[in-house]
Amino acid sequence: QSALTQPPSVSGSPGQSVTISCTGTSSDVGRYDRVSWYQQPPGTAPKLILYDVSDRPSGVPDRFSGSKSGNTASLTISGLQAEDEADYYCSSYSSSVTWVFGGGTRLTVL
Amino acid sequence: EVQLLESGGGLVQPGGSLRLSCAASGFTFKDYAMGWVRQAPGKGLEWVSTISVSADSTYYADSVKGRFTLSRDNSKKTLSLQMNSLRPEDTALYYCAKDMESGYTKSDFNYWGRGTLVIVSS
Repeated sequence: QSALTQPPSVSGSPGQSVTISCTGTSSDVGRYDRVSWYQQPPGTAPKLILYDVSDRPSGVPDRFSGSKSGNTASLTISGLQAEDEADYYCSSYSSSVTWVFGGGTRLTVL
Repeated sequence: EVQLLESGGGLVQPGGSLRLSCAASGFTFKDYAMGWVRQAPGKGLEWVSTISVSADSTYYADSVKGRFTLSRDNSKKTLSLQMNSLRPEDTALYYCAKDMESGYTKSDFNYWGRGTLVIVSS
């Protein structure tokens, strides 16, 4: 159950788009369309923003989108806003009937 | 309003035990899988365990398998995590979380509690 690989940090200016990658293996991200993404502002509990690679729970803006290619999933945030500044985590179901998180990415809005 | 209230955290010596509880309200508890996710101080999220709606299936991270036991009481709307043989690396904020889709065990957690802190130290 190795953690999925995410870049430690990304940044962007308001209005821009940023993409956060999440790399796993053929046993998790590459095998199942069961990737989810969470947003965690400092000092708060995580919030689910995407599930099943690209589906959004109700209430999540369509500025947040997801995709997957091979063993890598991606979260794209378009029209970046100051309130998007947070830590972002990916998660995937794996063939060992477990779930694994990525190491997290700190998004800084410049 | 969905609410998840964790309790039971505290300071425990290595090798000791703790039992975490999560009291749920605001939704039909028996219809949703539930789980625990932990976060060590200043670190990322780590999935710990998930239990199906009827408790017939439980899943554990390798790091806790054989030491932690997850259970639920649907009549009391309560989730419990029995933690034995605790190690310093188990030190973390433990979040109780609710799965998003009724009837399915997907660990897509759309509601989280505020967490209860477990510190394993001598």
